[in-house]
Amino acid sequence: NAGVTQTPKFQVLKTGQSMTLQCAQDMNHEYMSWYRQDPGMGLRLIHYSVGAGITDQGEVPNGYNVSRSTTEDFPLRLLSAAPSQTSVYFCASRGPRGATDTQYFGPGTRLTVL
Amino acid sequence: AQSVTQLGSHVSVSEGALVLLRCNYSSSVPPYLFWYVQYPNQGLQLLLKYTSAATLVKGINGFEAEFKKSETSFHLTKPSAHMSDAAEYFCAVTANSGYSTLTFGKGTMLLVSP
Repeated sequence: NAGVTQTPKFQVLKTGQSMTLQCAQDMNHEYMSWYRQDPGMGLRLIHYSVGAGITDQGEVPNGYNVSRSTTEDFPLRLLSAAPSQTSVYFCASRGPRGATDTQYFGPGTRLTVL
Repeated sequence: AQSVTQLGSHVSVSEGALVLLRCNYSSSVPPYLFWYVQYPNQGLQLLLKYTSAATLVKGINGFEAEFKKSETSFHLTKPSAHMSDAAEYFCAVTANSGYSTLTFGKGTMLLVSP
């Protein structure tokens, strides 16, 4: 199993550009989520999904869109990038036992918006 | 609503000394609690979790944590620090629900000196 994979690892954007961060998992997990990590702020939840076709907002959803068309993939879209979105982004998936189960994290995407 | 407070953004210990990383939580429902570790430029890895079974939880790499409801705490300890323990540690809380999300503390960087 590859676990949770994310692409790209690094990305530099100009203000106003759009892009999609890719996330895939091969563990057949229903629950997937996106976090951003900023120095001194810990990880903050952006969006999450409890299954294909079902998504919901987390703590910091503004400026980000998600969709979930398959169990495996959960892409995160930045429609018009802003410098405030410079961060490290982590995708995670959670096993089938719900809240007691472990969340598995991808290696992260480091995004810089100029 | 849930929240986590990690006391100390940085903790320094000598190799062989006791490691104590503090975590206090707030939750309106019985919580599940987790400790994750993040090594430089990597994703997060689960150290241990409390899911309402034994209050003393043992994890990987010799770490353990004790759930104390009366103190709303879940402090992480290790009897003897190793250089390889240098990393950032995150405490997280979630509620007992299949769709509940994970709320992270801001993290504590553990520095280990020889």
